[in-house]
Amino acid sequence: EIVMTQSPATLSVSPGERATLSCRASQSVSSNLAWYQQKPGQAPRLLIYGASTRATGIPVKFIGSGSGTEFTLTISSLQSEDFAVYYCQHYNNWPPMYTFGQGTKLEIK
Amino acid sequence: QVQLQQWGAGLLKTSETLSLTCAVYGGSFSNYYWSWIRQPPGKGLEWIGEINSSGRTNYNPSLKSRVTTSVDTPKNQISLKLSSVTAADTAVYYCARVGVAYYHGSGSYYMDVWGRGTTVTVSS
Repeated sequence: EIVMTQSPATLSVSPGERATLSCRASQSVSSNLAWYQQKPGQAPRLLIYGASTRATGIPVKFIGSGSGTEFTLTISSLQSEDFAVYYCQHYNNWPPMYTFGQGTKLEIK
Repeated sequence: QVQLQQWGAGLLKTSETLSLTCAVYGGSFSNYYWSWIRQPPGKGLEWIGEINSSGRTNYNPSLKSRVTTSVDTPKNQISLKLSSVTAADTAVYYCARVGVAYYHGSGSYYMDVWGRGTTVTVSS
């Protein structure tokens, strides 16, 4: 079973600054990685798939990078609406299984 | 614009069966897998299982013995049943559409459209 580990658990950043979130896979997952944003009381929203492709309507300030076991979500020029919890997710082809990281809470510093 | 509307019983007692339905509006139903995901209070996301319009299913091994999913293609609906619930099954349950992109000949799967979630509470 592939384990997805996100770091840090909580990240405190000032508005206007840049945030860098990490996701590590216990073994190579190629580019099979997605990122989601979740705000309190809301469903998750897809940000990035295929490690670096922005989903429809996602601003260019969200940048996904990495491959293999190390992945990064970079969010530039933080605004109030960006402070949320972010999850990474991997799909394993066999046995079919979706695994989420435990999440990183991005909070206002 | 694809929308997912979900409903089901929100309060259950221990050992009862959870039953939720998710209806798909405004888009193709037959070309996708449809997943169920849950989130216990204050915790992260856990994938439960998925089904396509042909009824082909995949389940999380940790829940497989208690999970059943079904599809009603004419109604563009999927359903989830989770048997023998306990307090540990208390969570917000989401349905979601599974998208796929291919990189280097391999599929990358993700959830691109989500329902709003149904809160399910299990009490004794």
